[in-house]
Formats: sequence, structure tokens, C-alpha cells
Amino acid sequence: QVQLVESGGGVVQPGGSLRLSCAASGFTFSKYGMHWVRQAPGKGLEWVAFIRYDGINKYYTDFVKGRFTISRDNSKNTLYLQMNSLRPEDTAVYYCAQGSGYCDSWGQGSLVTVSS
Amino acid sequence: EIVMTQSPATLSVSPGERATLSCRASQSVGSNLAWYQQRPGQAPRLLIYGASTRATDIPARFSGSGSGTEFTLTISSLQSEDFAVYYCQHFNNWPPLTFGGGTEVEIK
Repeated sequence: QVQLVESGGGVVQPGGSLRLSCAASGFTFSKYGMHWVRQAPGKGLEWVAFIRYDGINKYYTDFVKGRFTISRDNSKNTLYLQMNSLRPEDTAVYYCAQGSGYCDSWGQGSLVTVSS
Repeated sequence: EIVMTQSPATLSVSPGERATLSCRASQSVGSNLAWYQQRPGQAPRLLIYGASTRATDIPARFSGSGSGTEFTLTISSLQSEDFAVYYCQHFNNWPPLTFGGGTEVEIK
């Protein structure tokens, strides 16, 4: 079955950087688009970024454009989210999810806390 | 950006009763609408896509309907495991993808 496991979260100071990883298994990773979706504490879901199956097309929400970069390594079945210039409002659980328009399967999430 | 609005914010229902959740889009999204369930402390789970198609292993008591700007998720007979937060999300002419604010289904 599909398994998505995020890692790389933690506590970082404002202005700092962090890279999240999402290890995928149970499906042919190179054939599927992938999303990052986040959820601030006690809040709803917010879409962050998407990357096409081949890594050619990438899309971002306006709030993270120019600061976050989504990428993937199909040889390692791994999705990444490089987060730079982090702000306190980026504090959230970050989920990776498989799919194109909608999210078929989700990881368990990785908590990112931006605080001094 | 398409704004998704869910109502009510909280729905109090007794086990075994029917629950009806609404989702409205600020412009037509056709049938490009998904519903997710999120239980406390867990990741979201896809319930419905294409407005009315149940995802794999989703029980038949969950059904979706609607098109254009008005959508409904119905849970025909609430079980204990169905008390959770439910989100709708459009995937029409994106990016961006947007979610509704969620409806919490609580035990009455």
C-alpha cells in the first residue's frame, strides 16, 4: 500500500532554513504528481506546492513563492521542500500527499516551528 | 483564487443519525471537488473526488453530490469513527488549490 513518510521538521529561528523530505513507497513514485499541504496549529488545511511527476512543472501558493522550493528525486522515491526565509506564520504540520488535482494519499506530517 | 466556504462550522449529530455538510465555491468548479476527513491527531484522508466518486475503501454511507458552486457531503448513519473534521477542496483551473475552512462533526 501507499506509504509516505515525512522527515526534517523541527524548531528554527525566523529567517532560517529547513528542508523537509518525504520518502515514498508502495507505488511507482515517478508516475505521480506530489503536493505539500500544511496545517497551522488548530487551523485548517492550506495547499503549499505541487510538482509534476517528471519534476518539470512546479506550482506554489503566493505565500511561499520565492522562499520555498519543491523538488523530487525519482531515483530515490523522495520528495523535498526547501524552506528559506522562514517566518513565524510558517509554523505548521507539513504533509506530503500523492496526486494531481486532489490528494489521494497523505503522510503523517512533519511539524515545523518557527520561533526565536 | 477560488474561495471555498463550508457550513456549518460545527454540526452536532447523534450516532446513527444523518449528517449533511455543505460546501460552496465562489465560482464554478464543475465537478472538480474533493472531500477529506481528518480525525483528531491524524492526517487527512480522501473520501470523495469528482464531487461524487468514493475513494478506495470508503464506506457506502458517505456520499457526495453537487456541481458548479454548490456541493454536499452526506453521511447516512453516523458511526463513532465518523466524528471528525471534514474539508472540501476544489481542483478546477488551479493553481492555486484551495480548501474550505472545515466542518467539525461532533457527538450530540
